Amino acid sequence: GQSLEQPSEVTAVEGAIVQINCTYQTSGFYGLSWYQQHDGGAPTFLSYNGLDGLEETGRFSSFLSRSDSYGYLLLQELQMKDSASYFCAVRNSGNTPLVFGKGTRLSVIA
Amino acid sequence: DAGVIQSPRHEVTEMGQEVTLRCKPISGHDYLFWYRQTMMRGLELLIYFNNNVPIDDSGMPEDRFSAKMPNASFSTLKIQPSEPRDSAVYFCASSFGGPYNEQFFGPGTRLTVL
Repeated sequence: GQSLEQPSEVTAVEGAIVQINCTYQTSGFYGLSWYQQHDGGAPTFLSYNGLDGLEETGRFSSFLSRSDSYGYLLLQELQMKDSASYFCAVRNSGNTPLVFGKGTRLSVIA
Repeated sequence: DAGVIQSPRHEVTEMGQEVTLRCKPISGHDYLFWYRQTMMRGLELLIYFNNNVPIDDSGMPEDRFSAKMPNASFSTLKIQPSEPRDSAVYFCASSFGGPYNEQFFGPGTRLTVL
């Protein structure tokens, strides 16, 4: 079987930095994606890590360590609009669909 | 370019009624997915299609659920008969080139079964 673990909720202050972790157990791991979903909205793609290391896109960065079966999403200079749910999703080898975690609800407070 | 289109956006029905949800994927995308999202269970993959052919329907909860994709630009998810526990947000998503590639989600249909 396979599993993805991420915290259910995280709260952070506007302007701060927050890290949302994702650990996974799966066979045939290929890569890790992150999606953002605002309340009442649809999930939208943020980033993908196929290799170990850090991928940066503006205020958002995503990190992967295959040896630790671990990744995280880093949000810097937090803004109120970053309040949303964030999902990690595993890509396995082979022609199979993404497997989504249960999501982390981020609340940004003033 | 239009994204994934879903209709209706909201549906309220009574237990026992038939419900049909509709989806138009992004033109050119060859994979289509149906998801159900609830607070308790998160985002669950119900079924996905490749080139209009159902590939994996192991996530369909029971025989009351069925999905079709008669052509590349249209898919339906039907629940018959509906039950209160089916209340959820149903998302359709599409991708190009592989089921593991970036998925583009529609706005969802919020279903309430009374």
